[in-house]
Amino acid sequence: NAGVMQNPRHLVRRRGQEARLRCSPMKGHSHVYWYRQLPEEGLKFMVYLQKENIIDESGMPKERFSAEFPKEGPSILRIQQVVRGDSAAYFCASSPGTEHSGTDTQYFGPGTRLTVL
Amino acid sequence: AQSVSQHNHHVILSEAASLELGCNYSYGGTVNLFWYVQYPGQHLQLLLKYFSGDPLVKGIKGFEAEFIKSKFSFNLRKPSVQWSDTAEYFCAVTPYSGAGSYQLTFGKGTKLSVIP
Repeated sequence: NAGVMQNPRHLVRRRGQEARLRCSPMKGHSHVYWYRQLPEEGLKFMVYLQKENIIDESGMPKERFSAEFPKEGPSILRIQQVVRGDSAAYFCASSPGTEHSGTDTQYFGPGTRLTVL
Repeated sequence: AQSVSQHNHHVILSEAASLELGCNYSYGGTVNLFWYVQYPGQHLQLLLKYFSGDPLVKGIKGFEAEFIKSKFSFNLRKPSVQWSDTAEYFCAVTPYSGAGSYQLTFGKGTKLSVIP
């Protein structure tokens, strides 16, 4: 029973390039969440998606960041024109969506560590 | 908005010592509470969770946590740690229901090092 998959595990980009982070949820899970962990900080919520819908993107920076969860394929977190401050660990989580949202347990992937040179 | 405070940044214990990691949260309503663990090189795993009912929650690997509503606390305990418990531990909270109840708010984490 595969867990949440994220790739790549490590990504190095130069300033101004684009970063694409992928997340495949656990089998049977239709809800995906992205979190960011800056150095020495706890994880912070970015966005919550269901298939083909962004439910809540209140934690996403207003510019350069976007997320999608298409009908087919993984969820993608896209960062355009990366800057050094984007260097962080980006975690994806998924949940089955069978319970009300407060008790719908989220299962995390291994994270993608983005380094911007 | 809710917030979570974990008091200890790094805890070092010898094997067989007892463990208690502090977690306090700030939120005006009913909450769900979680402890996650991240072993070196691995992803975050759920240790235990509290939604309602008995405030003493038992999780995997011998861990337990007690929700004390009057103190806004959810401390993690283990009577006797092992070297394999070396990891980083994160406390998290969500509102019990309603808007934003899926948004986990995490503490900064506590690194636990267990010396054989």
